[in-house]
Amino acid sequence: AQSVTQLDSQVPVFEEAPVELRCNYSSSVSVYLFWYVQYPNQGLQLLLKYLSGSTLVKSINGFEAEFNKSQTSFHLRKPSVHISDTAEYFCAVNAGGTSYGKLTFGQGTILTVHP
Amino acid sequence: EAGVTQFPSHSVIEKGQTVTLRCDPISGHDNLYWYRRVMGKEIKFLLHFVKESKQDESGMPNNRFLAERTGGTYSTLKVQPAELEDSGVYFCASSPGGWLVEKLFFGSGTQLSVL
Repeated sequence: AQSVTQLDSQVPVFEEAPVELRCNYSSSVSVYLFWYVQYPNQGLQLLLKYLSGSTLVKSINGFEAEFNKSQTSFHLRKPSVHISDTAEYFCAVNAGGTSYGKLTFGQGTILTVHP
Repeated sequence: EAGVTQFPSHSVIEKGQTVTLRCDPISGHDNLYWYRRVMGKEIKFLLHFVKESKQDESGMPNNRFLAERTGGTYSTLKVQPAELEDSGVYFCASSPGGWLVEKLFFGSGTQLSVL
């Protein structure tokens, strides 16, 4: 079985400041890692994913995450946030060998960007 | 292209009543998933359909929950009789066919309140 811990339930930050949302996981098998984002009154949307290859993955809107196998982490970072980044962010894992659509989620981190 | 649609967006019922949630996946998506988020907790997997067949229902909490997917198109999730602990947001997600699922497309969810 696998589990995901998002270390911060809420992260307030000022616009244009850097941000890091932390995610740690545990699993006895290899995993695939995801970050999903939920904007107000919308469904979850895939932000970025790590399946294999380069451990640093990037999204089109400036977020990046790095898979660290030794520390079992997949922290999400952005060097300069915008008001529009205000949302809830979910880290999720899928154990290799099972259906990739069966995800184990963390509890979510609410990112609030203040002007 | 229409996204994943869920009906209703909100439902308030009394304990002991029956409620049916509906999900219309993206047309052509063979994989359909149900997830649930109880307030303050993480999003949890309930079950997975491949077309009209249940691939994995390991997350269904008990036999008060019945999921169906008629003809491999839309899906319903019935709770009968509803209990207080069933309150939460029920998410539906879909993805194209195949074992490798790199991205889930989520609906906006149904907020269920059992009083």
